[in-house]
Amino acid sequence: GENVEQHPSTLSVQEGDSAVIKCTYSDSASNYFPWYKQELGKRPQLIIDIRSNVGEKKDQRIAVTLNKTAKHFSLHITETQPEDSAVYFCAASKSSASKIIFGSGTRLSIRP
Amino acid sequence: EPEVTQTPSHQVTQMGQEVILRCVPISNHLYFYWYRQILGQKVEFLVSFYNNEISEKSEIFDDQFSVERPDGSNFTLKIRSTKLEDSAMYFCASSEMLGGAGTQYFGPGTRLLVL
Repeated sequence: GENVEQHPSTLSVQEGDSAVIKCTYSDSASNYFPWYKQELGKRPQLIIDIRSNVGEKKDQRIAVTLNKTAKHFSLHITETQPEDSAVYFCAASKSSASKIIFGSGTRLSIRP
Repeated sequence: EPEVTQTPSHQVTQMGQEVILRCVPISNHLYFYWYRQILGQKVEFLVSFYNNEISEKSEIFDDQFSVERPDGSNFTLKIRSTKLEDSAMYFCASSEMLGGAGTQYFGPGTRLLVL
């Protein structure tokens, strides 16, 4: 069935360093890959998304890469700041209006 | 910026009772969803709704669950006879599609506790 695997489950980085979170998906029909940030007790907030006709997308300190052949996609956060601390979920969907299949989440902690 | 809203923010109920969770999607959105998140776990899809009918549902969305769009603004999730394992955060989401980006925007959630 459809599945999204996410690694690592926890990640601690020094403030100012980069953080990388990696995901793989099983359904080759997936073509929309959003990333959500969730702070404790809050809603998932979309931070960036990528569609399958694009290999990389960047928005300030955040970038995502997609390798459709390998069914891998990754989130890169550069120059991390304390406010980046949260749980990050990768996700996959067959279209941006279809159900979203979430990964298991990565708890990112930024050490001062 | 328009947001999805949900009520109540918290709901405590006894096992076997019916609950209705309410959502007001973003006004020009056409697709509506319910997801749930058990504490400490990932977000799971329950159901999607378009053009006044269910588009897709997951295995979790059994006969105890139903959805309704009773008027032009509200979208509800009903659990007929709650079980302990229904305790979770329930998120409503909506997306525009039909020419829009189709990004799903999530509401703040309703934390349901079944005792």
